[in-house]
Amino acid sequence: AQSVTQPDIHITVSEGASLELRCNYSYGATPYLFWYVQSPGQGLQLLLKYFSGDTLVQGIKGFEAEFKRSQSSFNLRKPSVHWSDAAEYFCAVAINQAGTALIFGKGTTLSVSS
Amino acid sequence: DVKVTQSSRYLVKRTGEKVFLECVQDMDHENMFWYRQDPGLGLRLIYFSYDVKMKEKGDIPEGYSVSREKKERFSLILESASTNQTSMYLCASRSLAGGFYNEQFFGPGTRLTVL
Repeated sequence: AQSVTQPDIHITVSEGASLELRCNYSYGATPYLFWYVQSPGQGLQLLLKYFSGDTLVQGIKGFEAEFKRSQSSFNLRKPSVHWSDAAEYFCAVAINQAGTALIFGKGTTLSVSS
Repeated sequence: DVKVTQSSRYLVKRTGEKVFLECVQDMDHENMFWYRQDPGLGLRLIYFSYDVKMKEKGDIPEGYSVSREKKERFSLILESASTNQTSMYLCASRSLAGGFYNEQFFGPGTRLTVL
């Protein structure tokens, strides 16, 4: 069955340090992959998405993600974290060709220390 | 900008009440979705709608129903609210224009408490 795993429930990073959030998916066909961010009390906002082509995808707010088919991973990275990046991050995979249904990971909460 | 609005940010209801959660999008999107979000479980799909008057069950439809009479509005109905339906409810919409890989746009959520 299709699934998305985010192995880290909670991560704390110092402000200015680099960040990597892990995401592994299980899906037989070519995946459509997304990263969303949810700030406290807010809905989800799309950070970036991958469908095909270049495996390194740039998103908003200085985030990027790399698709690695051999590892079934789509890890999110940022070179220098800001305090405003503290939020919950969700990885998701579209599980049908129409892209109408997404399976979400359980999320990773990012805390930023000063 | 796409705007997805939900009728209430916070709602408190009693067990057995019929509850309506409303979602409106202003971008003429064909698809609309209802999710519930619980700590440690992420987002789970309750129902979605491909277009007006169309609906499909998601992963956890039990205890819920939906209505989509107009393209911009998608309502989630709890026929008889129970305490295990206390949760954050998120609505989303998505356009089919341009391809299969368009993202979903989310509303701010409704935090429902059932007492």
